[in-house]
Amino acid sequence: GAVVSQHPSWVICKSGTSVKIECRSLDFQATTMFWYRQFPKQSLMLMATSNEGSKATYEQGVEKDKFLINHASLTLSTLTVTSAHPEDSSFYICSAPKTSGGAETQYFGPGTRLLVL
Amino acid sequence: AQKITQTQPGMFVQEKEAVTLDCTYDTSDPSYGLFWYKQPSSGEMIFLIYQGSYDQQNATEGRYSLNFQKARKSANLVISASQLGDSAMYFCAMRERNQGGKLIFGQGTELSVKP
Repeated sequence: GAVVSQHPSWVICKSGTSVKIECRSLDFQATTMFWYRQFPKQSLMLMATSNEGSKATYEQGVEKDKFLINHASLTLSTLTVTSAHPEDSSFYICSAPKTSGGAETQYFGPGTRLLVL
Repeated sequence: AQKITQTQPGMFVQEKEAVTLDCTYDTSDPSYGLFWYKQPSSGEMIFLIYQGSYDQQNATEGRYSLNFQKARKSANLVISASQLGDSAMYFCAMRERNQGGKLIFGQGTELSVKP
């Protein structure tokens, strides 16, 4: 079954509005989660590292004021795209590391497709 | 410089045959991990296989095996007995110990399995 959930799976919004995307780890705690963005026919690009109880760490070139990340609990991280514009239209996907049998694997949520009109 | 390189944008394979997807990496961290993920058209990222830098043996998971050649810095994915459902994008990724657990992805390879 799913290890990481994401909501919503699809969102269409008007330019200038804000959109919140939730990422939840199911049945395990994740002090760290990662947010990626993927444009069509391209690879996943890391946007930021979400840290429970502290500020997120953003990758170079990612605007922290535009992409607000809150990791309020050990199972939930949220990404808010503020004042969204058409160029923010993309596939947003989160991941969380989980240790099983001594090995750590990163599990991904199903992703959120954002379309800004 | 690219940390993870996948040089095959697209690959075709006949059903029931084996296929190798190439991945080379670049790191100075002695402790790292290499991952392969499958991404079907739905967009979900499906974990396939993991190889740690200190693992002595090549990782295997069912029809998937990882041909790990540390000196050459390559971690090719081998899919045996291809199935039509294997058609998807495949991404190689690396995690370096000194980078806090984040994954760096290659460009991906689109695999098409022909009946």
